[in-house]
Amino acid sequence: ETGVTQSPTHLIKTRGQQVTLRCSSQSGHNTVSWYQQALGQGPQFIFQYYREEENGRGNFPPRFSGLQFPNYSSELNVNALELDDSALYLCASSRMTENYGYTFGSGTRLTVV
Amino acid sequence: GESVGLHLPTLSVQEGDNSIINCAYSNSASDYFIWYKQESGKGPQFIIDIRSNMDKRQGQRVTVLLNKTVKHLSLQIAATQPGDSAVYFCAERDTNAGKSTFGDGTTLTVKP
Repeated sequence: ETGVTQSPTHLIKTRGQQVTLRCSSQSGHNTVSWYQQALGQGPQFIFQYYREEENGRGNFPPRFSGLQFPNYSSELNVNALELDDSALYLCASSRMTENYGYTFGSGTRLTVV
Repeated sequence: GESVGLHLPTLSVQEGDNSIINCAYSNSASDYFIWYKQESGKGPQFIIDIRSNMDKRQGQRVTVLLNKTVKHLSLQIAATQPGDSAVYFCAERDTNAGKSTFGDGTTLTVKP
């Protein structure tokens, strides 16, 4: 079975720009979540998607948005980038009907300059 | 709001010793708890989980204990090995709210 893959692995953007990060879920997983992990901290929940709809959200502003596609791949979009958005962005997939832990990708390292 | 915290940011043990990593949580609505291991340059890796209606669960060399009375979670690693060196996170999951909350992690260092 394939794991969770994220692209790109690294990215540098300028403050005020927009960015799109991509994720392919593990085969058989229908739920995808996105997390922001600052250096030295635990992952912070951004939002979760199930059946192409957002069904849970953390304390992130509306400029953080997402999409889930019928093949369960997903995108995280961030508008009007700020310096504090620099972090590792993690995608995780799971099966909604079963209480398994998430399977995480290796993340996208975003640097905003 | 809810928070999940770990008692110690770092833990150093000798190879072969047992390790205990502790975690306190605050959300009474959490129904599911998970321990993750994160190595440098990688995403968190699932280790073991426990539902809120249980107080103990064992895996291969790992045991998770849950004390809901004091909102405390622990991970025990038996015969710790150098490959166990990593950052360990506890996470609570509120299935109804559809989100997980992670603590800030404990860095485990295993000395040969």
